[in-house]
Amino acid sequence: DGGITQSPKYLFRKEGQNVTLSCEQNLNHDAMYWYRQDPGQGLRLIYYSQIVNDFQKGDIAEGYSVSREKKESFPLTVTSAQKNPTAFYLCATRRTGDIPDTQYFGPGTRLTVL
Amino acid sequence: GQQVMQIPQYQHVQEGEDFTTYCNSSTTLSNIQWYKQRPGGHPVFLIQLVKSGEVKKQKRLTFQFGEAKKNSSLHITATQTTDVGTYFCSSGGYNKLIFGAGTRLAVHP
Repeated sequence: DGGITQSPKYLFRKEGQNVTLSCEQNLNHDAMYWYRQDPGQGLRLIYYSQIVNDFQKGDIAEGYSVSREKKESFPLTVTSAQKNPTAFYLCATRRTGDIPDTQYFGPGTRLTVL
Repeated sequence: GQQVMQIPQYQHVQEGEDFTTYCNSSTTLSNIQWYKQRPGGHPVFLIQLVKSGEVKKQKRLTFQFGEAKKNSSLHITATQTTDVGTYFCSSGGYNKLIFGAGTRLAVHP
C-alpha cells in the first residue's frame, strides 16, 4: 500500500550469492514484517520487528537475516544458506494499537535464483 | 501453534454466481481478518471481525465470525470479474498474524 516501498520489483541472482531486499516505509509504523509467498501458497512469516534495534524470528527464519537500525527501514538478506530462495517476498507494517489491527503490505519483490 | 485452515483452495465460478470461502481453527481466535490479493499484486486489508457472531457487509461481500470464534466465512454475492484474486483469512495477537493458505477465485465472464 501507499507509503511502503520495496525494491527492486524483480531480482535475479546466481545460486550461492547473498542478496538484500529493501523495504522502506514513511507511515511511521512501529512494527515491520517480512513474509515469503510461494506460487499458490499462503504467507509465511520470516522475521518481524516491533521496535528499532529489535527483531524476532518468524516461522521460516533459517537462511535469512534482517536488521532494524532505523524505524523506516527493515532490509532482508537472503543468504546462500537458504536452500530454495526463489519466491515472492512481501514486506508489511503495522501501527501499534491500531484498530482494526491491520497489516499494510508493500508491492513485493520477486526473487529468482538461477 | 495456532493454525487457520482455509477452504476451498480454488473456486471457479461463472460471473453472477455466488462464492464463499471458509476459515477454520481448532482454537478460539481473538480476531479474524480478511485480505484480498489480486493476481500479481499484494494483499490488501478488507475487514476485521472481533465479536462472537459478528456479521459485517461491504457492498456484495458479507463477512461472518462464528459464535464460538473458531470459524469465519466470506461470501460474495453475484460475483464480478473484478472479484478475481486470492482471499486470505488471518488471525493473531500483538506480535504477528497467522495466515490461512488462501482461496483462489476465478470468475468466468
